[in-house]
Amino acid sequence: NAGVTQTPKFRVLKTGQSMTLLCAQDMNHEYMYWYRQDPGMGLRLIHYSVGEGTTAKGEVPDGYNVSRLKKQNFLLGLESAAPSQTSVYFCASSSGSNYGYTFGSGTRLTVV
Amino acid sequence: AQSVTQLGSHVSVSEGALVLLRCNYSSSVPPYLFWYVQYPNQGLQLLLKYTSAATLVKGINGFEAEFKKSETSFHLTKPSAHMSDAAEYFCAVSASGALNFGKGTSLLVTP
Repeated sequence: NAGVTQTPKFRVLKTGQSMTLLCAQDMNHEYMYWYRQDPGMGLRLIHYSVGEGTTAKGEVPDGYNVSRLKKQNFLLGLESAAPSQTSVYFCASSSGSNYGYTFGSGTRLTVV
Repeated sequence: AQSVTQLGSHVSVSEGALVLLRCNYSSSVPPYLFWYVQYPNQGLQLLLKYTSAATLVKGINGFEAEFKKSETSFHLTKPSAHMSDAAEYFCAVSASGALNFGKGTSLLVTP
């Protein structure tokens, strides 16, 4: 049972490039989330989804887009990467926020 | 809006000493509260959660937390620290379909 899988694990982008981070879960969870983690800032919610075909903005959505075309996948896109988007990105899934999350192992993104 | 504040970004304890990591919450409704642990270069792992069933919650690895409504606190404790407890710890509260996390407390355990 893989849980939550994030790809890629590491990536270096040049300013202005685009990329997509993939999150896949095999627990049949309805809810999926994207967070970014920066030193001293904790985890901040970027976007989340409460079911297939739905998405919602979190605390820091600017510069990111998401899609949830299939229940098991949640994609995070950066259309034009900026150095301020250098961070560690975590995907998580749950049956509902009151139940807690299962996290992926993270994607370390550097924008130069 | 529901939020949590973790007091102390760094805590250092000796091996075998009591671990106390502080978390205060702000919520207009009875909260669902969580503690997560993050080991270096890993994702977050659930330690324990409070869902109003009992005020003293026991989690994995010998950790526990007590919900105190009068103090709006949910502090994490462990009677005896082990070297393997060195990690980052996050408190979180359920809010509008997602979790709001505190900024984290880094626990250092010295021999």
